[in-house]
Amino acid sequence: EVVLTQSPGTLSLSPGDRATLSCRASQSVPNNFLAWYRQTPGQAPRLLIYDASTRATGIPDRFSASGSGTDFTLTINSLEPDDFAVYHCHQYGNSPRTFGQGTRVEVK
Amino acid sequence: QVQLVQTGAEVKKPGASVKVSCQASGYSFTSYDIIWVRQATGQGLVMMGWMNPNSGNTGDLQNFRHRIALTTDSSISTAYMELFSLTPADTATYYCGRAIRNRLYSDLWGPGTLVTVSS
Repeated sequence: EVVLTQSPGTLSLSPGDRATLSCRASQSVPNNFLAWYRQTPGQAPRLLIYDASTRATGIPDRFSASGSGTDFTLTINSLEPDDFAVYHCHQYGNSPRTFGQGTRVEVK
Repeated sequence: QVQLVQTGAEVKKPGASVKVSCQASGYSFTSYDIIWVRQATGQGLVMMGWMNPNSGNTGDLQNFRHRIALTTDSSISTAYMELFSLTPADTATYYCGRAIRNRLYSDLWGPGTLVTVSS
């Protein structure tokens, strides 16, 4: 099973700041099949990025992502109020599909 | 409107089973897979399994082998996840998601169903 380790566990930032989140896989993710989701309290996850770097429909270009193999990054430029949430990475290149433990972006 | 609607919250005794439904609307149900994940309070997402409503194939059930059953009823665009032999550790919110076939990332999620297991 591919273990995804997200860092940092918590990121304390201010509105307007840039957030950089990391997701490291215990083995290479085939085809860079990695997604990122944002989850606000009490809500279901929302797809932000798939295939490591492709923004999902309706996702603003403040969100960008990159990476390949075992190291992936999500960058959020100019944090807005709704961006203070938990972010999950998800690999779907290996069975079983797995998720990271999440990174919380909180208001500093 | 494209959406997934899930069963309301459930309270179960240890040893019981729970069946959560996930009804799709606004899209072709058989053109996408359905994934199930769960999330204990304050924890991350855990993959439970996926099902192809068209073929009936399932996968990624390893973590819940012998305790989980995934089914679908395409006539009413509904997927079901049944979990058996519940323990308090199964207390969590259960989500279904519409998953892109052969990719299994989810671009649409249900609102979640809170299942509480307590004596």
